[in-house]
Amino acid sequence: QVQLQESGPGLVKPSQTLSLTCTVSDDSIRSGGYYWSWIRQHPGKGLEWIGYIYNTGSTYHNPSLTSRLTISIDTSKNQFSLKLRSVTAADTAVYYCARDTRGNSLWGQGTLVTVSS
Amino acid sequence: EIVLTQSPATLSLSPGERATLSCRASQSVSSSLAWYQQKPGQTPRLLIYDASNRATGIPARFSGSGSGTDFTLTISSLEPEDFAVYYCQQRGRTFGQGTRVEI
Repeated sequence: QVQLQESGPGLVKPSQTLSLTCTVSDDSIRSGGYYWSWIRQHPGKGLEWIGYIYNTGSTYHNPSLTSRLTISIDTSKNQFSLKLRSVTAADTAVYYCARDTRGNSLWGQGTLVTVSS
Repeated sequence: EIVLTQSPATLSLSPGERATLSCRASQSVSSSLAWYQQKPGQTPRLLIYDASNRATGIPARFSGSGSGTDFTLTISSLEPEDFAVYYCQQRGRTFGQGTRVEI
């Protein structure tokens, strides 16, 4: 059964860069037909789409985050990654990675990232 | 960027009742709309894709309809486990703000 697992620091200082990696348990990341997504959820709030990337490297970002955002993919490691620069307390959230295709959506368990000095 | 607006924010119903949730897009998304269910402490679960298709394993009491800018998720007869927050999403992109279905 395919699994996605987020990893990265749980605490980031203001103005620094938040970096997360999602490791996929099989090699579907090399296949076409999926988009590899990042989503976040502020404490007690709704879901916010961050962006996604295809196995080709093409990316699509939430316009409100794009100036601070980099999403990349490493198919040799079955991983894709998120970097969010110049973070503030407003970036404190649970961050999820997900694999999406028509009719199927598989999510990681999520990781809480707190922005605080 | 397309904005999805869900209504109502909260729906207070009893088991056995019918739930009707709305999602309106600021511009047409054709049929590229999905619905998710999220329970406390859990990750979201895909219910409906392409506006009206149930995802694998989703009970028949869940149905979706609509196209263009107006979409509806209907739960025909609420079961206790259906009390949760429901989100619509333009395929792979923007989410609505959610509708809480509560007892």
